[in-house]
Amino acid sequence: LAKTTQPISMDSYEGQEVNITCSHNNIATNDYITWYQQFPSQGPRFIIQGYKTKVTNEVASLFIPADRKSSTLSLPRVSLSDTAVYYCLVGDMHQAGTALIFGKGTTLSVSS
Amino acid sequence: DVKVTQSSRYLVKRTGEKVFLECVQDMDHENMFWYRQDPGLGLRLIYFSYDVKMKEKGDIPEGYSVSREKKERFSLILESASTNQTSMYLCASSFTSTAANVLTFGAGSRLTVL
Repeated sequence: LAKTTQPISMDSYEGQEVNITCSHNNIATNDYITWYQQFPSQGPRFIIQGYKTKVTNEVASLFIPADRKSSTLSLPRVSLSDTAVYYCLVGDMHQAGTALIFGKGTTLSVSS
Repeated sequence: DVKVTQSSRYLVKRTGEKVFLECVQDMDHENMFWYRQDPGLGLRLIYFSYDVKMKEKGDIPEGYSVSREKKERFSLILESASTNQTSMYLCASSFTSTAANVLTFGAGSRLTVL
């Protein structure tokens, strides 16, 4: 499984756009990139997943360059409730029995 | 709404006790996982299962065992609890077919071993 590297923490203010970048230099051909969000005392929850180029949903956008060695989670106009830990995972999502390895994540703190 | 339910939200046990953490999912998922989460260490995979009666070791299986007798239930067992097993335990499940393998987590079980 590809190892991922993310910043340990980031700070932002309400209304700003936040971009969190994840490095995954040894990503494999069949690997997908998935982001999760975790609030204190809760389990992580799925935010977005992509394979290449750009993916957008109602919560976030995911930008993946052509070489796929990194990806950027973009949160538009963050609010205080976006304060959480964000995890980037890379793995073969169609492989039965594939274990998914979480890193330490990025702690995002949003202030007013 | 799909759900992963962990039987106990908070547990307090004594050193040496046998501890069972139960997890049930109602989504007919093939894969189930147990993680533990500790401050500064993130989530670490203990065991996972991709089918009934099948299990695979994760990164930190020592001191733990698991049981999956039915597709919907995955149990984590601490044969003899120790203080260093005080942690938040998270269960997750996923469905692998033509769909992408997205994890759905339970709310967690916070275990304190005295």
